[in-house]
Amino acid sequence: ILNVEQSPQSLHVQEGDSTNFTCSFPSSNFYALHWYRWETAKSPEALFVMTLNGDEKKKGRISATLNTKEGYSYLYIKGSQPEDSATYLCAFPLGGGGADGLTFGKGTHLIIQP
Amino acid sequence: NAGVTQTPKFRILKIGQSMTLQCTQDMNHNYMYWYRQDPGMGLKLIYYSVGAGITDKGEVPNGYNVSRSTTEDFPLRLELAAPSQTSVYFCASSHGLPQFFGPGTRLTVL
Repeated sequence: ILNVEQSPQSLHVQEGDSTNFTCSFPSSNFYALHWYRWETAKSPEALFVMTLNGDEKKKGRISATLNTKEGYSYLYIKGSQPEDSATYLCAFPLGGGGADGLTFGKGTHLIIQP
Repeated sequence: NAGVTQTPKFRILKIGQSMTLQCTQDMNHNYMYWYRQDPGMGLKLIYYSVGAGITDKGEVPNGYNVSRSTTEDFPLRLELAAPSQTSVYFCASSHGLPQFFGPGTRLTVL
């Protein structure tokens, strides 16, 4: 059983503040780590797929880092906006390759308060 | 491209009834997946397929069946619906990384 843990479970942030949250995963047999953004009443949407230790990816105000040796990834949001309110999921392949299904963390539910 | 489409959007079943959840993708992806989302839990993989004619079990396959006769379609069959199968079901597809999700089917079994 693969354990993918996310913390915190929920987070309230003032508009304009920056924030970050964590995903931890098994460090052995690493293949890739996925981050998804899931807005209410929509389907999960891929943010990043991270494959290399030390990887840093950025999309607008959102960025992510990866440490495969210690088994964690951070997602950062700079200058939070109300449209950033969503659940952020990380996921890890169940097997050892790109075709495998994913095991997901329970998510971090982010609420941006105006 | 429509991406990944799922039908129906909502369904209420009685205990013991059967139904098929439909999933179609128009991106020519080889890999397709079925997940379920229960409140307070992460998405759980039910079944997946790496190509037409090939399917495999995921984390929570009991009570479900799948088939993959074409690249585009990956239906999920519930044979004898039980209250424990009340959930939101998501279909996804990919070439590998990342996965693209459909809009989901909300199923209630009473």
